[in-house]
Amino acid sequence: GDSVTQMEGPVTLSEEAFLTINCTYTATGYPSLFWYVQYPGEGLQLLLKATKADDKGSNKGFEATYRKETTSFHLEKGSVQVSDSAVYFCALKRPGANSKLTFGKGITLSVRP
Amino acid sequence: EAGVTQFPSHSVIEKGQTVTLRCDPISGHDNLYWYRRVMGKEIKFLLHFVKESKQDESGMPNNRFLAERTGGTYSTLKVQPAELEDSGVYFCASSQEGHFSGNTIYFGEGSWLTVV
Repeated sequence: GDSVTQMEGPVTLSEEAFLTINCTYTATGYPSLFWYVQYPGEGLQLLLKATKADDKGSNKGFEATYRKETTSFHLEKGSVQVSDSAVYFCALKRPGANSKLTFGKGITLSVRP
Repeated sequence: EAGVTQFPSHSVIEKGQTVTLRCDPISGHDNLYWYRRVMGKEIKFLLHFVKESKQDESGMPNNRFLAERTGGTYSTLKVQPAELEDSGVYFCASSQEGHFSGNTIYFGEGSWLTVV
């Protein structure tokens, strides 16, 4: 079945540090890939997405590139801020009108001033 | 435009009691999903409605959980009787119908359930 694997956390960084959060997936066909974020006390928000190989999703300074050859969708940001502290979830969605999201375990990022 | 709204936002109930969670999807969204995250674990799919029909309920953990979507608008998820392991965050989500896997699924803020 479909699965998403995220690197183990939590991750603690200093402000302005470079961030990479690894995500790899297993799925048949050509899924769409997503990063969702949950800020403290809030719900899940879509951060970015990519729908085909080599697509790059970007938002709020975060980027992730859909790499089919390595089945990966790593999340990166050049300079993190304290406000980026949150839980980050990688997810995939199979092709098809009514397919569901499959999530990774999530990773908690804490950015200290 | 209003997003996905869930009620209650927080609930603390005793083991054996009943709790009903409500979700109002974004207007016009035929797809409605329920997910759950138990503390520290991944977000797991529970079920999926297309309008009022259950498209996929493979993630429902057992028959103590009952989901409905009468009229294809809002949905309820009832847990009866609640057990300690049911504690977690219950997310509702919705999306437009379409033949595109990249259609964004929008989530609500979640209903935080604690069973004591």
